[in-house]
Amino acid sequence: DVKVTQSSRYLVKRTGEKVFLECVQDMDHENMFWYRQDPGLGLRLIYFSYDVKMKEKGDIPEGYSVSREKKERFSLILESASTNQTSMYLCATLLANTGELFFGEGSRLTVL
Amino acid sequence: KNQVEQSPQSLIILEGKNCTLQCNYTVSPFSNLRWYKQDTGRGPVSLTIMTFSENTKSNGRYTATLDADTKQSSLHITASQLSDSASYICVVSAHPGNQFYFGTGTSLTVIP
Repeated sequence: DVKVTQSSRYLVKRTGEKVFLECVQDMDHENMFWYRQDPGLGLRLIYFSYDVKMKEKGDIPEGYSVSREKKERFSLILESASTNQTSMYLCATLLANTGELFFGEGSRLTVL
Repeated sequence: KNQVEQSPQSLIILEGKNCTLQCNYTVSPFSNLRWYKQDTGRGPVSLTIMTFSENTKSNGRYTATLDADTKQSSLHITASQLSDSASYICVVSAHPGNQFYFGTGTSLTVIP
């Protein structure tokens, strides 16, 4: 089974703090994604990466950056957290031959 | 515009009853459609995948249908259990297969 691990399930940060969300997958998949999920809005794509050091902006990249230095690890960075970034963040990896997305358990971030 | 719409937004049913969730999409070119189940506070998990040529697919008590002509899918849950309480998300992918469009989900509550 594919395992996608998000290191922090719950975080509470203050406005202006730098936040790192880590995601690790164990299947050598090339494509990895970061989404945020808000009530009534569904999942929205922040960034995705199709290989090491490669990244593409999604639908809502403002206020976020990403890092993919190793194939198994995809990090989401909030340089200066704001209250409107309070959300559930979901990391996913893609099994290319079936087109199935595998999600981590999510990181619920609260910015005060 | 590529969109996925789900109905109803929320649903409450008695344990043991059946229910049907709807998904309408306008994604083109269509690759496949998946239904995901998301338990509260957890990441989504795939239930079924439907490709263009498939009309019906079952996974235990879950049966998904797809009408590619009308661009509609449904997820039927038979003999509901308390553990079926979750959000059900319809996800449509577009060719070449790494673009995903998410519905906002149907929140299902099964009560004893």
